[in-house]
Amino acid sequence: QGLLVQSGPELKKPGDSVRVSCKASQYTSSDAGISWVRQAPGQVFEWIAWIRPQTGVTQYEAKVQGRVTLTWDRSTATVYMDLKSLTSDDTAVYYCAIDSEQPLHSWGQGTLVTVSS
Amino acid sequence: EFVLTQSPATLSLSLGESATLSCRASERIGNNLAWYQQKPGQAPTLLVYGASSRATGIPPRFSGSGSGTEFTLTIHSLQSEDFAVYFCHQNNYRPRTFGQGTKVDLK
Repeated sequence: QGLLVQSGPELKKPGDSVRVSCKASQYTSSDAGISWVRQAPGQVFEWIAWIRPQTGVTQYEAKVQGRVTLTWDRSTATVYMDLKSLTSDDTAVYYCAIDSEQPLHSWGQGTLVTVSS
Repeated sequence: EFVLTQSPATLSLSLGESATLSCRASERIGNNLAWYQQKPGQAPTLLVYGASSRATGIPPRFSGSGSGTEFTLTIHSLQSEDFAVYFCHQNNYRPRTFGQGTKVDLK
């Protein structure tokens, strides 16, 4: 089990890229992955990506495939989510969450990404 | 497109009453369904996974049931801290999807 702490809010323009970090203190589970989920204003949660830090294997949802990249920095136990070519549709609160037998069982506090011209 | 449909949208109940929340899947998902609670301004909390297994630290008044396409979350004897939004999530198919949520508020 681990505590996830995310980076702060971001304000970006259309076409920009954004990097959101998720530091996993006390992360020790080799079987667990970390998922990223977002919630746009007034919308349903949307799962967008997953990484297994132990192996670096990733999965991306088709809607963001090609625009999103997850990476794991072992030295700082941090997952980075990079999202490029932002549009207003990417405006949302982004969450990271630990995924294991218990899906999305520990969540970060969320990071608001606002895309506006 | 795979869809999870929750009902009702809002449930207005009094302290001590029981709440019954429904989540219907558009295709069979076995028991690969989880329930979460979210309070305003907070991240969600996992309540139930595998349709009926309570997550670590979750009190026994929360119980999940169902399989296939019909799932239920029951909250027995509502406490003040239980008034929140509840949503379901399936991890059987990709992309993983979520229900639109049921708000449980105080009558």
